[in-house]
Amino acid sequence: AQSVTQLGSHVSVSEGALVLLRCNYSSSVPPYLFWYVQYPNQGLQLLLKYTSAATLVKGINGFEAEFKKSETSFHLTKPSAHMSDAAEYFCAVSVYIDNNDMRFGAGTRLTVKP
Amino acid sequence: DTGVSQDPRHKITKRGQNVTFRCDPISEHNRLYWYRQTLGQGPEFLTYFQNEAQLEKSRLLSDRFSAERPKGSFSTLEIQRTEQGDSAMYLCASSAGELFFGEGSRLTVL
Repeated sequence: AQSVTQLGSHVSVSEGALVLLRCNYSSSVPPYLFWYVQYPNQGLQLLLKYTSAATLVKGINGFEAEFKKSETSFHLTKPSAHMSDAAEYFCAVSVYIDNNDMRFGAGTRLTVKP
Repeated sequence: DTGVSQDPRHKITKRGQNVTFRCDPISEHNRLYWYRQTLGQGPEFLTYFQNEAQLEKSRLLSDRFSAERPKGSFSTLEIQRTEQGDSAMYLCASSAGELFFGEGSRLTVL
């Protein structure tokens, strides 16, 4: 079955610094990959998704992620962190176009220091 | 509000009691999903419906868990004879492509 591993349960950056959240996937077939953000007491919101159209995917709020098949990675980046980016981020993988049986990573909590 | 709505947002119950959560999806979405999220973990898939048909239920955690979507609109998730290990956030999502999540129903079993 497909799975994702998020490296680092907590990441702390200074405001204005680069954000890098790491995700590695495992899948026996070409995967669909996703990043979601969860703010306290809220549901998950889709940041971006990879569906094989382009390896560099741009999402909302200035985030982007690059699919690297050779490294089985889908790391999330943002050039300059903002205080409002503080949240929990989840990487997810699905082998179905309709997102059934989506598997989530354990999450990375991002803290942004002033 | 046109988002996914879940009720109640919080439920505190005693061990052994039954609880039921309701999810109202986005109206034009034919797929509805239930996930469980425990502290420090990502959402864990439980079951999903396409319209009123439950297409996957083998991942429900035990036979104490059941879900329905009788008219293909709202759905309920019931947990019978709750245990302390059932304490978690129960998330609902609906989809016509992209998943849209509700804010979740937090269950605390004392």
